Amino acid sequence: SAVISQKPSRDICQRGTSLTIQCQVDSQVTMMFWYRQQPGQSLTLIATANQGSEATYESGFVIDKFPISRPNLTFSTLTVSNMSPEDSSIYLCSAGRGSNEQFFGPGTRLTVL
Amino acid sequence: DAKTTQPNSMESNEEEPVHLPCNHSTISGTDYIHWYRQLPSQGPEYVIHGLTSNVNNRMASLAIAEDRKSSTLILHRATLRDAAVYYCMVYSGGGADGLTFGKGTHLIIQP
Repeated sequence: SAVISQKPSRDICQRGTSLTIQCQVDSQVTMMFWYRQQPGQSLTLIATANQGSEATYESGFVIDKFPISRPNLTFSTLTVSNMSPEDSSIYLCSAGRGSNEQFFGPGTRLTVL
Repeated sequence: DAKTTQPNSMESNEEEPVHLPCNHSTISGTDYIHWYRQLPSQGPEYVIHGLTSNVNNRMASLAIAEDRKSSTLILHRATLRDAAVYYCMVYSGGGADGLTFGKGTHLIIQP
């Protein structure tokens, strides 16, 4: 198993600003993912964070809006850029090894005013 | 990417078995089927996953149809702590469109 921590746990931000969310894993993993989850809804994959190369983004998500870093096998960041109220959501990080189980962080609850 | 379909909600009694269905009719031959559950204000928790054969672990069993177009998560003896939203997910591998979560089934357990 793996333990995932995220920082911050929650934040309230002004529109037009940016927020960087950190995800730390307690062991080396091959795969790290970033999701968005609206309250009461399912998870939507934003991107796969690749170590040493650019992230792979899903349809509807672009690097300029959601830049991702993954400098090593245990850490990744997601930045939500030029925020608007529509970006208010819960952002989740997960980690896994290949096709095996994913372990999720507790999430970051973002409110944009 | 494979689409997954789940019932919005199900209700069961405590100490009885629960069968949670998921349809993934467009699944590819190498796609894995995963199940996760989520309690309010928490991140999802891994339950079980499989490829073709049925799988058992300490939490649940996963029954996969022979044509792999559907699967069923089985909780053998539900407890109140099993009340959660259960998500079925099809995993195709890293890369764009690599995984798809269903909308989830809200499982209600009656004492």
